[in-house]
Amino acid sequence: DSGVTQTPKHLITATGQRVTLRCSPRSGDLSVYWYQQSLDQGLQFLIQYYNGEERAKGNILERFSAQQFPDLHSELNLSSLELGDSALYFCASSMTGLPYEQYFGPGTRLTVT
Amino acid sequence: GESVGLHLPTLSVQEGDNSIINCAYSNSASDYFIWYKQESGKGPQFIIDIRSNMDKRQGQRVTVLLNKTVKHLSLQIAATQPGDSAVYFCAETSQPHTGNQFYFGTGTSLTVIP
Repeated sequence: DSGVTQTPKHLITATGQRVTLRCSPRSGDLSVYWYQQSLDQGLQFLIQYYNGEERAKGNILERFSAQQFPDLHSELNLSSLELGDSALYFCASSMTGLPYEQYFGPGTRLTVT
Repeated sequence: GESVGLHLPTLSVQEGDNSIINCAYSNSASDYFIWYKQESGKGPQFIIDIRSNMDKRQGQRVTVLLNKTVKHLSLQIAATQPGDSAVYFCAETSQPHTGNQFYFGTGTSLTVIP
């Protein structure tokens, strides 16, 4: 158990819909990262937050957005969903000063039908 | 954009043998290289990292080697055990302390034969 929690574990929704994925980092970790893992794209970095502020942005679509709240939990919002958005979405967290040592949650499996 | 690629998508080894997983990277500016292990149905798990100013780093049963001349990274697992069966990813980043992207390779699936 990494200490990072993600909800929900599974999510099935239709094209055009909007969903919110939630992540709680390990106690004390200020950094949260979001990744998308699909069969054809591998593990893709989406975005990083540090103590409530966006720190780095990767291959995140404009239809996707994220935020980190004062209690440090984070949410990833996916809108206007397409079939190609079906993937595993992982959240990870890291300690300040150790951004390369990330601890991943169990992931949310999103299926868009 | 940057790319991180793995030489072999699958690797099978006998229990007790040593395993070597290779990774090629393309961004000369990368500062840190990280290895992750992902077991079926789970999120990636941090194994070990190495900074660009080092060429070797050892952990518990694992050694990472970095050859910046040919942009090559390898993970050596000593006395491979069935529990080591997983997909292994290498990742690279530059200046992670100031915020930067992390690029992951496509992964190598390691199967340990009892």
